[in-house]
Amino acid sequence: QSALTQPPSVSGSPGQSVTVSCTGTSSDVGGYNYVSWYQQHPGKAPKLLIYEVSKRPSGVPDRFSGSKSGNTASLTVSGLQAEDEADYYCNSYAGSNNFHVFGTGTKVTVL
Amino acid sequence: QVQLVESGGGVVQPGGSLRLSCAASGFTFSDYGIHWVRQAPGKGLEWVAFIRYDGSNKYHADSVKGRFTISRDNSKKMLYLQMSSLRAEDTAMYYCAKGYYDFWSWGQGTLVSVSS
Repeated sequence: QSALTQPPSVSGSPGQSVTVSCTGTSSDVGGYNYVSWYQQHPGKAPKLLIYEVSKRPSGVPDRFSGSKSGNTASLTVSGLQAEDEADYYCNSYAGSNNFHVFGTGTKVTVL
Repeated sequence: QVQLVESGGGVVQPGGSLRLSCAASGFTFSDYGIHWVRQAPGKGLEWVAFIRYDGSNKYHADSVKGRFTISRDNSKKMLYLQMSSLRAEDTAMYYCAKGYYDFWSWGQGTLVSVSS
């Protein structure tokens, strides 16, 4: 099972919006509405930001939003803030054979 | 609140074995599936294994199949990962995480280093 494809890095100025893409196949991203997104600061454990493509857990700011079209999912961070600088990973359920696959990861830099 | 605490990491020689543990608290452990996820130094996340809430089904990534085994003891609220035939490429931080289709809560990880 190959990792989902994410851009290595994206950047934006405070207040701007950035979008991180996550491309898979019809066997993972395109086949299930179980795409999730995680934020990881250096030296810390990942934190769930988005689940089931576009749902936010309690406590996650509504600046974070998710969507999916075909085999590509996207995470948008609106109103970029300094604390949003981190690594971001997508994940997709991939059925009972491969179960789960993570994305390659994207470093978001706040300029 | 949900707490997951991993332990058992350390330095092991190639070909060796190690058992990781994950102690759970703050939720009804026997109601939830749990994953192991790892992250090699400076690299991305890799899903390793999953076990259903009652231990009835287990799934392992191809990269560890036949070498690693996930298990749990609901009476002790503990999750385990038995690792054998360890390779240099198994060097990573190992996290346990609560969930099924996603990873809701994570521990802080335990570091495994495979080196001679």
